[in-house]
Formats: sequence, structure tokens, C-alpha cells
Amino acid sequence: AQTVTQSQPEMSVQEAETVTLSCTYDTSESDYYLFWYKQPPSRQMILVIRQEAYKQQNATENRFSVNFQKAAKSFSLKISDSQLGDAAMYFCACTNQAGTALIFGKGTTLSVSS
Amino acid sequence: NAGVTQTPKFQVLKTGQSMTLQCAQDMNHNSMYWYRQDPGMGLRLIYYSASEGTTDKGEVPNGYNVSRLNKREFSLRLESAAPSQTSVYFCASKEVGSNQPQHFGDGTRLSIL
Repeated sequence: AQTVTQSQPEMSVQEAETVTLSCTYDTSESDYYLFWYKQPPSRQMILVIRQEAYKQQNATENRFSVNFQKAAKSFSLKISDSQLGDAAMYFCACTNQAGTALIFGKGTTLSVSS
Repeated sequence: NAGVTQTPKFQVLKTGQSMTLQCAQDMNHNSMYWYRQDPGMGLRLIYYSASEGTTDKGEVPNGYNVSRLNKREFSLRLESAAPSQTSVYFCASKEVGSNQPQHFGDGTRLSIL
């Protein structure tokens, strides 16, 4: 069965600093897609960034970037210049074998202090 | 833009009662999903509908049924609610294509006593 593992249940960072959230996944597919979602206390699920497995270049969205290591099946999220509004739970997800649904990790709760 | 709308936002049920959670999307998406979120468990897929007229089981389908009423609407039914079904339920939709992100509703917090 496909799995997505987030090994850090909780992380903390100070404002303006950089933090990296870890994610590893297990899939037998050669073509798949990876996502990071953010869930603030409001409970909304917000797309942060996505990566296509066949692209070697790491995706970037403003202060958010990924370190995608396909051979290691690793997909970490780096948040630069952290802001108080970044405090949330972050979920890593991978497309399933049929490409029809997402498999989510258990999440990492990020706290940001001033 | 409404996006994905879930009703109700909160509900309390007694064990054995039935309940239907409603979900509607106005983005003309083909695929729709139901997840449950429990502390420390992430989001787990209950059922999904890749296109109108089809439904498939996800990771945790037991105790649930779904109906894809039309392209816009995808409902989740608990026929006989159990305390283990206490959770936050999310509906999501997306366009065709594995690279397309899912768009989520605001969730329904369901408590079963």
C-alpha cells in the first residue's frame, strides 16, 4: 500500500527564520504528483505547492520551496522568512496508483514565535 | 466564488441515528472526494467519485455510503452512526488530471454520542 510519512509531529520556528518540514513517500509509480497543503486553525485546506515527479526542478512559490529527491522518495517543504500567519498544520500528499486520489501524511504542526 | 460548499458545519448525533452530509461544488469539476480527519491520523479517504455516475471506495469506507447526485453534488451518508465516526469530514473536488490540486470545503464537525 502506498504510504506518506511525516516524521515530525511538531515543529517550531521564529519569525523571519527558515524551517524545513520533512516528508517521505512510498510508491511504485514512475509518474506521480506531490502536494503540500496548509491547514490553519480555521480548518481550511489550502494548497501550498505541488511537484510533478518527472520534473527534476524543485517547485517554488514565493517563500515556499521544496527539496524533491526522487530516488530517496523525499519531498521536504522549506519555508523562508517565516511569518506568524504560517502557523498551521501542514500535510504532505502523493497521488495514488491510479492517479485518481491523494494519500495524505499525518501532518506536522508548525508554530511560529515572535 | 463559493468553491466547495459543505452542509452542515456542525452536527451532533446519537448512536444509531442516520445522517447525510451534503457537498456541492460550482467549479465544474469531474472528481469529488470525501475524507475524514482524526487527530494524529491525517486525512483518510472514505469514498471518491472520479466522474459523474461512478463511485469507488477509499481507505476507510465501512459504515458509509455515497451518492453522486449529479456533477455538482456528492453526498455522504451514515446509516447508523457510531461513536467511532466522530470526526471532521471534508469534501473536495478537482479537475481531470492527476496534477490538478484538490479544492476542499470547510469541513463538517460531526460528534456522535
